[in-house]
Amino acid sequence: AQSVTQLGSHVSVSEGALVLLRCNYSSSVPPYLFWYVQYPNQGLQLLLKYTSAATLVKGINGFEAEFKKSETSFHLTKPSAHMSDAAEYFCAVSRNQFYFGTGTSLTVIP
Amino acid sequence: GAVVSQHPSWVICKSGTSVKIECRSLDFQATTMFWYRQFPKQSLMLMATSNEGSKATYEQGVEKDKFLINHASLTLSTLTVTSAHPEDSSFYICSARPGWPSSYEQYFGPGTRLTVT
Repeated sequence: AQSVTQLGSHVSVSEGALVLLRCNYSSSVPPYLFWYVQYPNQGLQLLLKYTSAATLVKGINGFEAEFKKSETSFHLTKPSAHMSDAAEYFCAVSRNQFYFGTGTSLTVIP
Repeated sequence: GAVVSQHPSWVICKSGTSVKIECRSLDFQATTMFWYRQFPKQSLMLMATSNEGSKATYEQGVEKDKFLINHASLTLSTLTVTSAHPEDSSFYICSARPGWPSSYEQYFGPGTRLTVT
């Protein structure tokens, strides 16, 4: 069975500070992993994806994530938060279908 | 590439009426399309999976007679909410999966906000 756990439903950071959003997965085989961002009343925008190539994946808007098989994690990071990063973030694992985490709401404090 | 559109983006309807939402893959053929529902401040919940020319497969707890899904072509799937009630108000998102080259990826539409009064 597949599942995704996002630790921390709400994360607040100061503008310019490091952003760290946590995602752990359970999968019997190496999965395909995704991070999406969702702004209010909008659809999902793909930030980055892991497809069993490089374990450190760089995405859009300065985000990156590292696949760690030993920790079954795929945490999302950004070195310096910007006000425009305030949004909802979803981690997902894909096999035949997508399994989404519960989401993390990121607040950026000026 | 890999653009998915939804129409309408926003709809208000009266209780008891039916509403149809279209999902189109604009630049690829989608062998499989998915319909999700999202309540405020919550994650996406998969409602059903549809393959072109086949009956949709509904997730447990989703009323197939209420949420009619038709996947008539490789670029179009429709979701019809029949006899809508206020509790059906939600954000509906579709996604499309190409059969090739990536069978593991889905491309998401921008969503449709349904409000039932």
